[in-house]
Amino acid sequence: QVQLQQSGPGLVKPSQTLSLTCAISGDSVSSNSVAWNWIRQSPSRGLEWLGRTYYNSKWYSDYAVSVKSRMTINSDTSKNQFYLQLRSVTPEDTAVYYCARGVPAHVHGWDFDFWGQGTPLTVSS
Amino acid sequence: QSALAQPASVSGSPGRSITISCTGTSSDIGGYDFVSWYQQHPGQAPKLIIYDVNKRPSGVSGRFSGSKSANTASLTISRLQAEDEADYFCGSYRSSSTLGVFGTGTTVIVL
Repeated sequence: QVQLQQSGPGLVKPSQTLSLTCAISGDSVSSNSVAWNWIRQSPSRGLEWLGRTYYNSKWYSDYAVSVKSRMTINSDTSKNQFYLQLRSVTPEDTAVYYCARGVPAHVHGWDFDFWGQGTPLTVSS
Repeated sequence: QSALAQPASVSGSPGRSITISCTGTSSDIGGYDFVSWYQQHPGQAPKLIIYDVNKRPSGVSGRFSGSKSANTASLTISRLQAEDEADYFCGSYRSSSTLGVFGTGTTVIVL
């Protein structure tokens, strides 16, 4: 059974960088049949897909237009983890952040079958 | 990114059936058979219950079924039970620079 365990801060000051970790068990971050995603949820924006990373002979990352200039998603195969970095956060980034397993570009689909427990984030000074 | 449109709430009595709609465009629901549905209980992460329009993951009750017509997808819950009271979200692949989109969410109320 795949399990995703998230870790990271619950409070970040405006203009700072948010860093989150998602530890994978029961699968491999370098599997070429899945992608590793970050999704957030807030009352104002609902569920919002942020981006993904996946391996298919080399590493790829895709990002939502709304965060592309501020976000980096990467991975560490030795730790079987993947990460989110969101720079220059504002109060609008306040949300619950989830990591989730999904489908890579070369495997057609749009679904997320395993989710982390969620990390509530507040951006405030 | 504009979300897929869902009714805010749907209610039904135990044992009856309800249907939740999810309306998009030809760039998402109407153009691809990559519609998924998620159930979310308070304080929990979403749970995948339908993928590729009408497929159920292993372990998901057969009371949940999905369908699609033109730009609208639907989730039907048959033989409604108290435990089905939750929020439900649809999702779809979208042919844009942002690869996919979720619905606005529907609260199911079991009367």
